[in-house]
Amino acid sequence: TQLLEQSPQFLSIQEGENLTVYCNSSSVFSSLQWYRQEPGEGPVLLVTVVTGGEVKKLKRLTFQFGDARKDSSLHITAAQPGDTGLYLCAGGSGYALNFGKGTSLLVTP
Amino acid sequence: DAGVIQSPRHEVTEMGQEVTLRCKPISGHDYLFWYRQTMMRGLELLIYFNNNVPIDDSGMPEDRFSAKMPNASFSTLKIQPSEPRDSAVYFCASRQRDLGANVLTFGAGSRLTVL
Repeated sequence: TQLLEQSPQFLSIQEGENLTVYCNSSSVFSSLQWYRQEPGEGPVLLVTVVTGGEVKKLKRLTFQFGDARKDSSLHITAAQPGDTGLYLCAGGSGYALNFGKGTSLLVTP
Repeated sequence: DAGVIQSPRHEVTEMGQEVTLRCKPISGHDYLFWYRQTMMRGLELLIYFNNNVPIDDSGMPEDRFSAKMPNASFSTLKIQPSEPRDSAVYFCASRQRDLGANVLTFGAGSRLTVL
């Protein structure tokens, strides 16, 4: 099993602040995905990164895939209360995805 | 499309009882996955199917757990007998066909509490 470690586990910030969360592994991945999960719902895909060093932007969210394809980061600019949720990274070989335990983000007004 | 449909959304049962969780994947998706989520262990893959055939069940915790997919539009996860440590949220997900990346669409989950 390819383990994915996410940090920090919990993050509480005020609206307007910037933040970065991390996803690290000792394994190389062909791709990594980021999902967001809201209470009472299933995870929803935000982005897939495929190429080492790749940077993808989704409005105020910036995703980066490490050059060695072992790690990834998610940066949120000017966080809003609507960004509150559990952010999960996922990767794997074949068709089975392994997930990190996630970063629980709380953005207060 | 209504997405991945799971039932029941909530189940409370007593130790020793049989529990059956149900999933209807998105039409046309050829892979179906069952995951379990707890605070301690996060999201764990239990089993997945391709074209209704179980491919990897190495994540199923023990013989009390079984999963079936009798047709392309229905799958069940059964726990018999249930134990308090089985309390978790169980998610079903399906995979979109013919995509290069492994994109999963999740259902809303079934929250199981075993007393």
